[in-house]
Amino acid sequence: KQEVTQIPAALSVPEGENLVLNCSFTDSAIYNLQWFRQDPGKGLTSLLLIQSSQREQTSGRLNASLDKSSGRSTLYIAASQPGDSATYLCAVETSYGKLTFGQGTILTVHP
Amino acid sequence: GAGVSQSPSNKVTEKGKDVELRCDPISGHTALYWYRQRLGQGLEFLIYFQGNSAPDKSGLPSDRFSAERTGESVSTLTIQRTQQEDSAVYLCASSPEPNEKLFFGSGTQLSVL
Repeated sequence: KQEVTQIPAALSVPEGENLVLNCSFTDSAIYNLQWFRQDPGKGLTSLLLIQSSQREQTSGRLNASLDKSSGRSTLYIAASQPGDSATYLCAVETSYGKLTFGQGTILTVHP
Repeated sequence: GAGVSQSPSNKVTEKGKDVELRCDPISGHTALYWYRQRLGQGLEFLIYFQGNSAPDKSGLPSDRFSAERTGESVSTLTIQRTQQEDSAVYLCASSPEPNEKLFFGSGTQLSVL
């Protein structure tokens, strides 16, 4: 059974810091890995999707890496801003349509 | 539409009643997904549709739960004889094809009293 773990569970940083969120998964037989952000009262927003054959994806200040063999992914956020405050979720797709999510990292960026 | 739309946004029901939750995916998206998020817990897979077919129903918690999709568009998740443990946010998502980015709706908050 696929299990996804995210560390840390919560993170509080001052504005401007670079930060790293970690995700690990137990079964390396995945199609892809996605990072999402979840804002209170809203649905999830997909940030980055890394196919199993890829090593990383970048979007603006976000960079996500994938090491499938070791079952790890990191989400790097550069120059953090208060608007980045949200819960960040990692999910792996192990069969078409079925994503297994981690519990999330609650990020607070204070001015 | 511009995004995934779910209705109602909130539903309060009494234990034992049936409820229907609706999802309108982004037009042209072939894949549609239902997930559940209980308070303080992670997202839990319920069911996935490719077109109007559901290749994977493995996440449905019990036979009280059913879902259908018609016209490769709207999907309805039905919960019969609701129980208090069914209380959760039910999230719908769609993607252009499987193995692509998911777009989520804002969810339906279901409260079973």
